[in-house]
Amino acid sequence: EIVLTQSPGTLSLSPGERATLSCRASQTVKTNYLAWYQQKPGQAPRLLIYGASSRATGIPDRFSGSGSGTDFTLTISRLEPEDFAVYYCQQFIDSPPTYTFGQGTKLEIK
Amino acid sequence: QVHLVESGGGVVQPGRSLRLSCEGSGFPFRSYGMHWVRQAPGKGLEWVAVIRNDGSQKYYADSVKGRFTISRDNSKNTVYLEMNSLRAEDTAVYFCARDFVVVTVTMDKESWFDSWGQGTLVVVSS
Repeated sequence: EIVLTQSPGTLSLSPGERATLSCRASQTVKTNYLAWYQQKPGQAPRLLIYGASSRATGIPDRFSGSGSGTDFTLTISRLEPEDFAVYYCQQFIDSPPTYTFGQGTKLEIK
Repeated sequence: QVHLVESGGGVVQPGRSLRLSCEGSGFPFRSYGMHWVRQAPGKGLEWVAVIRNDGSQKYYADSVKGRFTISRDNSKNTVYLEMNSLRAEDTAVYFCARDFVVVTVTMDKESWFDSWGQGTLVVVSS
């Protein structure tokens, strides 16, 4: 079983700043099977990035994903007020299908 | 526009059963696999189960295997989660999510959760 560890647990930044969120896997993630989700309080998660670096439909280009192997990064280039939320990374194993989430990073307003 | 609506949550005693439903609209329901994902109060996300578009294949997290059953009725655009032998640790908001399959240039199939319902709360307590 692959364990995903996200860091930091909480990130305090101001609007306009750049946010860098990390997700480290305990084993190599095959073929960049990694996604990022955003969740605001009381809401369902929203898919931001899949395949490590592809933006989902309707996601602004200030969100970008990178990385491979065991180390992945979500970058938000210039924070907007609506970006403050909890972010989860998630990996997928295809045989048999298994999905695992990281514990989340809370992005809060400084 | 994709719309997923869960129902069936509530308070149930340990050891009892509960069935959740998720009705989809705004997309060709029978063409998509569907997932259940849960979130315990104040905690992170945990994948529970997936069912293929035609119901032919079903997979479960180890934590629910043998106790939960996922099924679907494409004539009703609905996916179900039958939960038996419920435990306190099953207390969570249960989300249904659409399976978004991406075929890569190397012909691998990626699977993600691209649309979610708002969730239904299940509380297991005596």
